[in-house]
Amino acid sequence: GDSVTQMEGPVTLSEEAFLTINCTYTATGYPSLFWYVQYPGEGLQLLLKATKADDKGSNKGFEATYRKETTSFHLEKGSVQVSDSAVYFCALSENTDKLIFGTGTRLQVFP
Amino acid sequence: EAGVAQSPRYKIIEKRQSVAFWCNPISGHATLYWYQQILGQGPKLLIQFQNNGVVDDSQLPKDRFSAERLKGVDSTLKIQPAKLEDSAVYLCASSLDREDEQYFGPGTRLTVT
Repeated sequence: GDSVTQMEGPVTLSEEAFLTINCTYTATGYPSLFWYVQYPGEGLQLLLKATKADDKGSNKGFEATYRKETTSFHLEKGSVQVSDSAVYFCALSENTDKLIFGTGTRLQVFP
Repeated sequence: EAGVAQSPRYKIIEKRQSVAFWCNPISGHATLYWYQQILGQGPKLLIQFQNNGVVDDSQLPKDRFSAERLKGVDSTLKIQPAKLEDSAVYLCASSLDREDEQYFGPGTRLTVT
């Protein structure tokens, strides 16, 4: 079945450092790909998405590119802030509204 | 615009007891989802409603879990009887329609002792 694999956390960075959180997927077709973020005490929020190969999703300085050849959708940000500290979930949806999530990666940013 | 509301935020019960969670989706959203998020794992879909009808409940443990969405607005998720492995955060989400962006509530953290 379809699945999503994320790098384990926590990822610990200093403010203004470069961020990469790896995400790879397994799917039988051509899924849409998503990154969700969960700030402490809050619900999941959609951060960005991409619906087809080579699409780049971007929001709040975060970017991810849909790479069909490597079945990847890595999340990047050039300069993280303390306020980016949260748990990040990669997810896919294959021609349905059913989301399949990865296990999440906790990001901790220190001043 | 008000977000997805859930209550209670926290619940502690003993195994074999019953518990119910409530969700109020964003006004006008036709699709409602219940997810289970066990510690260290990603959310897993339990059941999906379209208005007051069930679209997908393939991963709902129907021997102990039940859910309803009367009148196609609010929804309740019930566990009876609870087991230790039901300890998790239960998330409710809603979307305008199927395949639209899902908006999540803050969740209910259930601890079964």
